[in-house]
Amino acid sequence: QVQLVESGGGVVQPGGSLRLSCAASGFSFSSYGMHWVRQAPGKGLEWVAFIQNDGSNKYYADSVKGRFTISRDNSKNTLYLQMNSLRSEDTAVYYCAKEPGVYYMDVWGKGTTVTVSS
Amino acid sequence: EIVMTQSPATLSVSPGERATLSCRASQSVSSNLAWYQQKRGQAPRLLIHGASTRATGIPARFSGSGSGTEFTLTISSLQSGDFAVYYCQQYNNWPPTFGGGTKVEIK
Repeated sequence: QVQLVESGGGVVQPGGSLRLSCAASGFSFSSYGMHWVRQAPGKGLEWVAFIQNDGSNKYYADSVKGRFTISRDNSKNTLYLQMNSLRSEDTAVYYCAKEPGVYYMDVWGKGTTVTVSS
Repeated sequence: EIVMTQSPATLSVSPGERATLSCRASQSVSSNLAWYQQKRGQAPRLLIHGASTRATGIPARFSGSGSGTEFTLTISSLQSGDFAVYYCQQYNNWPPTFGGGTKVEIK
């Protein structure tokens, strides 16, 4: 079945870096765009970044532009989010999600938690 | 960026009753509107896309309607597993944006 499994979350100090991964299975990963969406504690959903199926185009929320980089390795069926210069406001559960060809999210992973704290 | 506004913030409903959730866009998003359900401690789940098309495996008691700037998610007869937070999301304009959510709780 279609599955997305995030990993790489943890506790990091302000200004630090972290790389999240999302392992995909059960579908043709290289055929679909992928999103990262985050949810701060007790808050709603916030779209973070998107990458097209072949990695040719990448888009970012203004709140992370210049600090986060989305990438993918289609040979490994894996999506990444490199997060640099982390701030306390980046504390959230980070979900990866599959895009079915239009820009909504039809399959979600269970999420990985990032905590930015000194 | 398009702002999505959901109302009410909290909806108290008895099991078996109908629930009606609203979502308003700050400008037209055509029918490019999705609804998600998120249960406590779980990831969101796609319910509706294209404003009214149920996702695979979603029961018929969930229905979506609307276009332009006004949208509605209706749950015809609430079951115990339907008590959750519901989010709308527009994907007509970049960036995709979510509403703040409506929590459906047991009355």
